[in-house]
Amino acid sequence: GAGVSQTPSNKVTEKGKYVELRCDPISGHTALYWYRQSLGQGPEFLIYFQGTGAADDSGLPNDRFFAVRPEGSVSTLKIQRTERGDSAVYLCASSPQGFNEQFFGPGTRLTVL
Amino acid sequence: DQQVKQNSPSLSVQEGRISILNCDYTNSMFDYFLWYKKYPAEGPTFLISISSIKDKNEDGRFTVFLNKSAKHLSLHIVPSQPGDSAVYFCAASYTGANSKLTFGKGITLSVRP
Repeated sequence: GAGVSQTPSNKVTEKGKYVELRCDPISGHTALYWYRQSLGQGPEFLIYFQGTGAADDSGLPNDRFFAVRPEGSVSTLKIQRTERGDSAVYLCASSPQGFNEQFFGPGTRLTVL
Repeated sequence: DQQVKQNSPSLSVQEGRISILNCDYTNSMFDYFLWYKKYPAEGPTFLISISSIKDKNEDGRFTVFLNKSAKHLSLHIVPSQPGDSAVYFCAASYTGANSKLTFGKGITLSVRP
């Protein structure tokens, strides 16, 4: 079956602009996660959805970052007033209810000039 | 403060020999541990996991060992193959499925033919 998909694969934007990153989880997976991976680091947790609601948003770095999952499937990560420090690979993962293992998408590489 | 540490950034082994990748953690509340493998331009792929109630879990060529008293785990790959060359991430989570993962910085494994 299809894995987690993320679009776009690459996004280049200018400082101060708004961006949206999309994640399509594996069909039937109720849990969805966003992580951010900077160069030379491991993925860092941003936010976790269980169904439509954000069950844990403790990793969002500030109020410029926001994510939604209105119908409990596709999720969008939104970043306002982008800064150069936001440049990273943004990873999405999903998992079935009751599973510890998370299944990752290929990521979106965001570059803020 | 890094709660999951992979202190060796790289490892090179000969094809057919054993690869041993180490990971340490500081948070005693972690009770589920996972290893992910990552190729360039792809998302992390789940490899193997272990619950804190066990000290060993084996899956084919891959075995994970957990030493709770030392807060240490290791991944053994036997025999190593050139296709195993990738970045390996150790990750940890808390009790209860569907909780966030905390990752180490990763180890780059190179398997020489």
